[in-house]
Amino acid sequence: ILNVEQSPQSLHVQEGDSTNFTCSFPSSNFYALHWYRWETAKSPEALFVMTLNGDEKKKGRISATLNTKEGYSYLYIKGSQPEDSATYLCASINAGNMLTFGGGTRLMVKP
Amino acid sequence: NAGVTQTPKFRILKIGQSMTLQCTQDMNHNYMYWYRQDPGMGLKLIYYSVGAGITDKGEVPNGYNVSRSTTEDFPLRLELAAPSQTSVYFCASSPTGTSSRIGKNIQYFGAGTRLSVL
Repeated sequence: ILNVEQSPQSLHVQEGDSTNFTCSFPSSNFYALHWYRWETAKSPEALFVMTLNGDEKKKGRISATLNTKEGYSYLYIKGSQPEDSATYLCASINAGNMLTFGGGTRLMVKP
Repeated sequence: NAGVTQTPKFRILKIGQSMTLQCTQDMNHNYMYWYRQDPGMGLKLIYYSVGAGITDKGEVPNGYNVSRSTTEDFPLRLELAAPSQTSVYFCASSPTGTSSRIGKNIQYFGAGTRLSVL
């Protein structure tokens, strides 16, 4: 069983602020890392899939980086908007074919 | 395009009752998964299936059973409901499993089933 941890657990920011949060995972047997965005009363939706050390992915104002050697990924949101309010989940996949989720970071953006 | 459909959306059970949570997908995905989500705990894998006729335990399988007779359907059964099984349950599918060679097969989630056992 992998131990995937996310920090912080929750985050309150003002509209327009930029923010970032962390996902840490065991670096041994690493295969891929997923980021999901989970809005209240909806189901998680994939944001990024990252596999290579040094990967950087971007979707609009949201971007992510990956460091597989030290076992962490950062998710950045530039100029947060109220519609960015959601729980952001990361999940690590190892060669054993199991997806292990972190506890999520709950982001609340105040207008 | 329906994607992953879960029924029911909500259910209240008494201790000791049994029920089946239904999950069906119309994307012809081979892999299907059941997760439970407890507050502050993220998603925990209960069972998964790599194809029709094949199922395997995840991290928290106790108290649950699954079957996969078709590619489309992956029902989750609770035989003797307990208060510890109060949770939100999510079904997901992916095309060929999350450890494919390029690791790009993301999971598609259903809308969830909120279950309370009283």
